Amino acid sequence: DAKTTQPTSMDCAEGRAANLPCNHSTISGNEYVYWYRQIHSQGPQYIIHGLKNNETNEMASLIITEDRKSSTLILPHATLRDTAVYYCIVRAFSGSARQLTFGSGTQLTVLP
Amino acid sequence: DSGVTQTPKHLITATGQRVTLRCSPRSGDLSVYWYQQSLDQGLQFLIQYYNGEERAKGNILERFSAQQFPDLHSELNLSSLELGDSALYFCASSPTGGAGQPQHFGDGTRLSIL
Repeated sequence: DAKTTQPTSMDCAEGRAANLPCNHSTISGNEYVYWYRQIHSQGPQYIIHGLKNNETNEMASLIITEDRKSSTLILPHATLRDTAVYYCIVRAFSGSARQLTFGSGTQLTVLP
Repeated sequence: DSGVTQTPKHLITATGQRVTLRCSPRSGDLSVYWYQQSLDQGLQFLIQYYNGEERAKGNILERFSAQQFPDLHSELNLSSLELGDSALYFCASSPTGGAGQPQHFGDGTRLSIL
């Protein structure tokens, strides 16, 4: 699976949009981009994933650049409960390695 | 609530002992994954089962083993425990294990070795 690069930490004001970047310049055509978050020591929570197109669900939006080398997770109206470590993961479409490979993630702190 | 249930939530035991962690996947999910999260290693994949068969192996120690039963629940067995095995152990499930299917995680079992 392709390696990802994320900022170590970010702050966001409550009520504002949180934009979390991820670089995956070595991504190949058959790899998905996944976003998870982990609040304190709880289990990782699935947020959203995409292959080529931008995606939106009730939690967030995922914007993938046309060349697929980077993406941005957008939390439209951040709340204090969105404070967590956010992981950007790329995952191969096929093959035996279907597990998720977690990096260090971005610690997002939402400030009141 | 992810629908994945892990028991027990906490486990405290001593070095050299053996423990069993249990995971019930989401209803209908055939694929189960086990992950370990320690302070110095982050979240690491251990092993995957699909419909009772082992499908993929990660950095799982020989002292660790797992199985998935006909009712699809899974157990992770840890033996000859060492201090370094203290960690959070997470189970995740997905319908068939395909790359386009999100894995949903349980709340984990916190294992403390004294």
